[in-house]
This record gives sequence, structure tokens and C-alpha cells, in this order.
Amino acid sequence: NAGVMQNPRHLVRRRGQEARLRCSPMKGHSHVYWYRQLPEEGLKFMVYLQKENIIDESGMPKERFSAEFPKEGPSILRIQQVVRGDSAAYFCASSPRGPGQGNEKLFFGSGTQLSVL
Amino acid sequence: AQSVSQHNHHVILSEAASLELGCNYSYGGTVNLFWYVQYPGQHLQLLLKYFSGDPLVKGIKGFEAEFIKSKFSFNLRKPSVQWSDTAEYFCAVNLKAAGNKLTFGGGTRVLVKP
Repeated sequence: NAGVMQNPRHLVRRRGQEARLRCSPMKGHSHVYWYRQLPEEGLKFMVYLQKENIIDESGMPKERFSAEFPKEGPSILRIQQVVRGDSAAYFCASSPRGPGQGNEKLFFGSGTQLSVL
Repeated sequence: AQSVSQHNHHVILSEAASLELGCNYSYGGTVNLFWYVQYPGQHLQLLLKYFSGDPLVKGIKGFEAEFIKSKFSFNLRKPSVQWSDTAEYFCAVNLKAAGNKLTFGGGTRVLVKP
């Protein structure tokens, strides 16, 4: 059973371009979380999704950022018109169950390092 | 390969007992170290972090951790736990030279009995 897969591992974009980060959760997991780690800071929650639904996006910047978790395929974190301040490591985690359903252990991917030039 | 190991997968203890969770890493360079906590039904939160300076780091909710460079360890401690400390705890490490990519340990589930 493969772990949480994130790609690409490293992504370089110029200011104004779009960045697409992918996360394939563990098999059987329908709950996905995205976190961001800015330089010299800890992880910060961005968004929590179930298949085809955004459950909690309280940590997402209001503009340029969006996330989806379609019925088929990986979860996508999309950043439009990237700026230098978007440079960070973006982590995805998946869980077989949601909050309150018991045993909602998180499994983390290895992250995508986004660098904006 | 670089890795982070948390020695205990599950810990059960009574209120007022002392807690210590082990974390060892295998990086050879200068590192940043973190402990995160996930309370039931909540998202991951940062408990404390070590970047440099005093190796004894104090975090939120009475937690502390000590960085022992010679042992490649960053153990988490709390002198007297409460029922509300029931959660899963993750240790994480990143190499300063490699930017802010984190590697997580497997997590330790802590159950505090009232």
C-alpha cells in the first residue's frame, strides 16, 4: 500500500504563473488535508477536503488559492498568479476517516517545495 | 536515508502522570525540529519548535522538548498530563540547508485516562 504521494517534489515558477500541486492519498482514504510551511515557521493548516467536497477552507488565502478533490484522481492545490511570498513547502495528508469518526490518523506526504522566482 | 523515528506508537497513562515521547532523527546536518499535536476532531497544531539557541524549548500547554545533538534526539515532555492531552503527537525535522521540507515521524497516540 503506497503512502501519500505528492508531486512534483520541487516546483519552480516565475511570478505570475500558475502552480498546480498534486496529492494522491493512501488507498482507501477519502479525507485530504493541505498544510503549508513557510520558511522558518511551522506547518499551517490550509484546507480539508473529502471527495468532491471542501469541508473546511478556513486556512486558505482568500485570493488566488483553490483546492479540489474530485471523485477520480488526485487532490489538486492550485495557486494562480504566484508571488514570491508563496514560496513554501506544501504538505498533503490523508486519513481514512474524518474528525469525530474515530481513528482519523493522518498520514503525510513528503511535500512539494514551491519556489517562486 | 534520512528518517525520523518515534519510539512509541501508543501510550496510555493516568492523569497527573509524567509524559515523555521519544523522537530520534538520522540527519547529518543542521536541523530544525518540531513537535505537532492533533487533538481528536481537530487539525494539526504546532506545539513547539527548535531552530537554534537554548536546547530546552518550551511550548504551549506546558509541553517542553530537549534537543540533544549528540544523541540526535528531540524528546517531548510534560510533567503532569491532563485528560485533555489525549491526542496524537508528531515529531518532524527539516534540514536547514534543504529549505523547509519536513520529514515526519510516524506519530504517537497518547491516551490519558481520567
